[in-house]
Amino acid sequence: KAGVTQTPRYLIKTRGQQVTLSCSPISGHRSVSWYQQTPGQGLQFLFEYFSETQRNKGNFPGRFSGRQFSNSRSEMNVSTLELGDSALYLCASRGTEPYNEQFFGPGTRLTVL
Amino acid sequence: AQSVAQPEDQVNVAEGNPLTVKCTYSVSGNPYLFWYVQYPNRGLQFLLKYITGDNLVKGSYGFEAEFNKSQTSFHLKKPSALVSDSALYFCAVSAPFSGGYNKLIFGAGTRLAVHP
Repeated sequence: KAGVTQTPRYLIKTRGQQVTLSCSPISGHRSVSWYQQTPGQGLQFLFEYFSETQRNKGNFPGRFSGRQFSNSRSEMNVSTLELGDSALYLCASRGTEPYNEQFFGPGTRLTVL
Repeated sequence: AQSVAQPEDQVNVAEGNPLTVKCTYSVSGNPYLFWYVQYPNRGLQFLLKYITGDNLVKGSYGFEAEFNKSQTSFHLKKPSALVSDSALYFCAVSAPFSGGYNKLIFGAGTRLAVHP
């Protein structure tokens, strides 16, 4: 079974630009979550989608948004990039049950200059 | 407020010796507890979880963890460390009244260094 895939793996943008990151979950998984990892703040939850609906959202500004498609693939978008948005963005997918563990992709390393 | 604490930034252990990576948590409701490991330039790999039942859970690569409800702890252990275990370890929790079971709250991470 293929794991969670994320594209692109690396991205360099400048302040003020916007960026879209993509995540393909494990086949059969309908829950997709996004996390931001930085040296200062650690791993922080961004949002979770299930069957194309956002079920939960973390404490991030509205510049961070996401969506999920009918095939469970998900995208997250960050508009008006700031230097502080430089981070590793991790996507995770999970089976249907709440006790299922989340499986993480390799991440997208975003650098904002 | 819900939180997960990993009190040690780094743990050093000699190869062949037992290792412990500590984790305590503070959440509302019955938590689900997880350990993940991260190697350089990689995502997180699932090691083990506690949902309910036996307080001692066994996971991948010989790791185990003990859930202690009274001390709100979930320490990761391994009887005999390998150099290849050197990595960054994260404890995480999800709970119904702390964002829901679909949101993981992570500790800051503990870097494990196993010396030959």
